[in-house]
Amino acid sequence: DSGVTQTPKHLITATGQRVTLRCSPRSGDLSVYWYQQSLDQGLQFLIQYYNGEERAKGNILERFSAQQFPDLHSELNLSSLELGDSALYFCASSVNPLAGGNLGSYNEQFFGPGTRLTVL
Amino acid sequence: DAKTTQPNSMESNEEEPVHLPCNHSTISGTDYIHWYRQLPSQGPEYVIHGLTSNVNNRMASLAIAEDRKSSTLILHRATLRDAAVYYCILYNNNDMRFGAGTRLTVKP
Repeated sequence: DSGVTQTPKHLITATGQRVTLRCSPRSGDLSVYWYQQSLDQGLQFLIQYYNGEERAKGNILERFSAQQFPDLHSELNLSSLELGDSALYFCASSVNPLAGGNLGSYNEQFFGPGTRLTVL
Repeated sequence: DAKTTQPNSMESNEEEPVHLPCNHSTISGTDYIHWYRQLPSQGPEYVIHGLTSNVNNRMASLAIAEDRKSSTLILHRATLRDAAVYYCILYNNNDMRFGAGTRLTVKP
């Protein structure tokens, strides 16, 4: 158990719909990351938040958005869903104790169990 | 962006050492080398990371070439539980890009 929780575990919805995935980071972690894992694209970084603010952006579609709340939990909103959005969505968290610069030496990420999204 | 190249798959026998290679010839001076693994039906988990020197922890060892253009993750005694996809990642400024990884099969 990594200490990162994600809800729901499974989500089945139809094309054109909108869903919200939720993530609670480990206690004390300020940074939250979202990833998408599909069969054809592998594990892709979507977006990162640090203490409520967007910190880094990866291959996130315009139909997708995220936010991190004052209690540090995060939500990933997926709208106008397409069949190709069916995937596993992982959330990860890390401490990020440094204010800037290269954080790689401290940035072990702890991944949640994922939310499996199926778009029919 | 700096990229990594790993073999698609490798096999090992249980209780034998495993050397998982990774090439990263375009690595920059500030890129850290991270290894994560993903067990079946789970999220990725951190294994080890390093910058220039070899590193050891309770899970594995990381051997980094002197020119930093390649690295090797070493599992000293593979167990059945080590069967997973292993990702070698260059990490800089919170941008973590996973490649396809190496699928490790451990035979009893």
